[in-house]
Amino acid sequence: GNSVTQMEGPVTLSEEAFLTINCTYTATGYPSLFWYVQYPGEGLQLLLKATKADDKGSNKGFEATYRKETTSFHLEKGSVQVSDSAVYFCALSDLSFQKLVFGTGTRLLVSP
Amino acid sequence: DADVTQTPRNRITKTGKRIMLECSQTKGHDRMYWYRQDPGLGLRLIYYSFDVKDINKGEISDGYSVSRQAQAKFSLSLESAIPNQTALYFCATSDPGTTQETQYFGPGTRLLVL
Repeated sequence: GNSVTQMEGPVTLSEEAFLTINCTYTATGYPSLFWYVQYPGEGLQLLLKATKADDKGSNKGFEATYRKETTSFHLEKGSVQVSDSAVYFCALSDLSFQKLVFGTGTRLLVSP
Repeated sequence: DADVTQTPRNRITKTGKRIMLECSQTKGHDRMYWYRQDPGLGLRLIYYSFDVKDINKGEISDGYSVSRQAQAKFSLSLESAIPNQTALYFCATSDPGTTQETQYFGPGTRLLVL
């Protein structure tokens, strides 16, 4: 079945450091891929998405590229801020049933 | 005002009690979902509904039931709560016609079963 694997956290960085959170997936067909972010005490909100191979999703300085050959969708940001501290979830869409399959989440902690 | 609301936001109950978590949305979306979030396990789908007459089980539906009272309302019930149902519960909505697969989440209900 479909599944998503992302790196365990927490990821601890200093402000302005470079961020990478790894995400790989297993799926039949060509799912859409997503990154959701959960700030403390809040629900999840969409950060970015990509719907086909080689697409790059971007938002708020974050980027991720849909790599079909490596079945990956790694999240990157060139310079993190304290306000980026949150839990980040990678997910894929099961196109047959319009359901999302989530990874386990990666907590990011950014210190001043 | 939030587009997807959940009540209550926090709930403490005892083993064996019946409880209901409610979700309302003003986005006009047909599709609604219930997830639970546990540390280290991410989000897991409990039930989903593609319209008022369509209810489907997710990967962890045992011990739960749902009711879709209207397009805007989707309730989750625990008929007889047990401690391992302690978790953070999220409702979500989507509309393939306008948002494709993107889902919109409520703020969550934190449930503690003693």
